[in-house]
Amino acid sequence: EPEVTQTPSHQVTQMGQEVILRCVPISNHLYFYWYRQILGQKVEFLVSFYNNEISEKSEIFDDQFSVERPDGSNFTLKIRSTKLEDSAMYFCASSDGLSSYEQYFGPGTRLTVT
Amino acid sequence: AQSVAQPEDQVNVAEGNPLTVKCTYSVSGNPYLFWYVQYPNRGLQFLLKYITGDNLVKGSYGFEAEFNKSQTSFHLKKPSALVSDSALYFCAVRDVRDTGRRALTFGSGTRLQVQP
Repeated sequence: EPEVTQTPSHQVTQMGQEVILRCVPISNHLYFYWYRQILGQKVEFLVSFYNNEISEKSEIFDDQFSVERPDGSNFTLKIRSTKLEDSAMYFCASSDGLSSYEQYFGPGTRLTVT
Repeated sequence: AQSVAQPEDQVNVAEGNPLTVKCTYSVSGNPYLFWYVQYPNRGLQFLLKYITGDNLVKGSYGFEAEFNKSQTSFHLKKPSALVSDSALYFCAVRDVRDTGRRALTFGSGTRLQVQP
């Protein structure tokens, strides 16, 4: 069964450093998403991406965040200058955007900012 | 704005007993509703959805959920709980009317503990 994959599973970085989180969505899906889950809190939407552009973003997704689909398979989230409060589990998701409505989530990348 | 409430942080049930995990929602229009399950150190796994039609929807692993429009609820149920059902369960909603917005809004999650 196709699945969303994410790398790395755990990333430790120092405050102020740039990080790139990588995702490979399900191959025939058209919509891609990033969500985050701060430890012990609810899952929060960050951004959605369709047709090579951002289709929607939350107030969390400020100028320090960016997304990119650099090739036909990868979807990345870049955090330019990490802050302590960026420490969270980041989930990538994808959906086909057609007949089904559910989003399929990857296993997540745990980002720890020290 | 859309929102989801899961009023119980934890639900405890004995193996073999029926379980219910509660969810209520708020949207401007009609909802698309979803249940996801999260096992330790894993991502969110899709369980089931309500889009339209029959109010009782069936999903993976024997779970089902009932959409109740008048009570704005979408409770998750299973007739006979298994120890392996122990996990964190999230309810999520999306507003049908807002076709340009696909973001899911999640509840705070309910931890299900099934005792042997």
